[in-house]
Amino acid sequence: ETGVTQSPTHLIKTRGQQVTLRCSSQSGHNTVSWYQQALGQGPQFIFQYYREEENGRGNFPPRFSGLQFPNYSSELNVNALELDDSALYLCASSYDGGYGYTFGSGTRLTVV
Amino acid sequence: KNEVEQSPQNLTAQEGEFITINCSYSVGISALHWLQQHPGGGIVSLFMLSSGKKKHGRLIATINIQEKHSSLHITASHPRDSAVYICAVEAGGGADGLTFGKGTHLIIQP
Repeated sequence: ETGVTQSPTHLIKTRGQQVTLRCSSQSGHNTVSWYQQALGQGPQFIFQYYREEENGRGNFPPRFSGLQFPNYSSELNVNALELDDSALYLCASSYDGGYGYTFGSGTRLTVV
Repeated sequence: KNEVEQSPQNLTAQEGEFITINCSYSVGISALHWLQQHPGGGIVSLFMLSSGKKKHGRLIATINIQEKHSSLHITASHPRDSAVYICAVEAGGGADGLTFGKGTHLIIQP
């Protein structure tokens, strides 16, 4: 049984660019959620995908978008990057949105 | 919107001490999670609670649903327990994701 894998681990982008982060869910999990964690803060919920459909969203603008694929892996896309987007991005997978979560190690995004 | 408060924010203790970290939340929940985050960033799930008490090794988690309060205890603390401990809550259905506290930064000195 594999855990949750995120790629890349670190990324530096320029303001205004677009970025795609990837998450491979734990085997058997059909739900994935994404979180943004600024330095010194707790993670903030971005959105959740269940069986390839977005079924929940936090207080993030539309330039944050995602996809979930039939194998339940997922992408987080951020357009028009801003300096404040610099953060650790975490994904977590679960079965049916409950029964506990498995987190990835995160992607640290720096926007310069 | 649920507000999750943790205390203390920072805690330094000596090896062997009994550690208590507290978490309170403002709105009814379906489950509460205790998580551990190491400096590299990865998060490990310690407990998921909806009532009562759970124990795993030297870690004990309790929840009082009526008082909207949970505690995480570490017995016989060890330097390898040094990490950030985060409380997170979820509402029924889970489609709103988890709402996290800011975390408690724990340092156990030898």
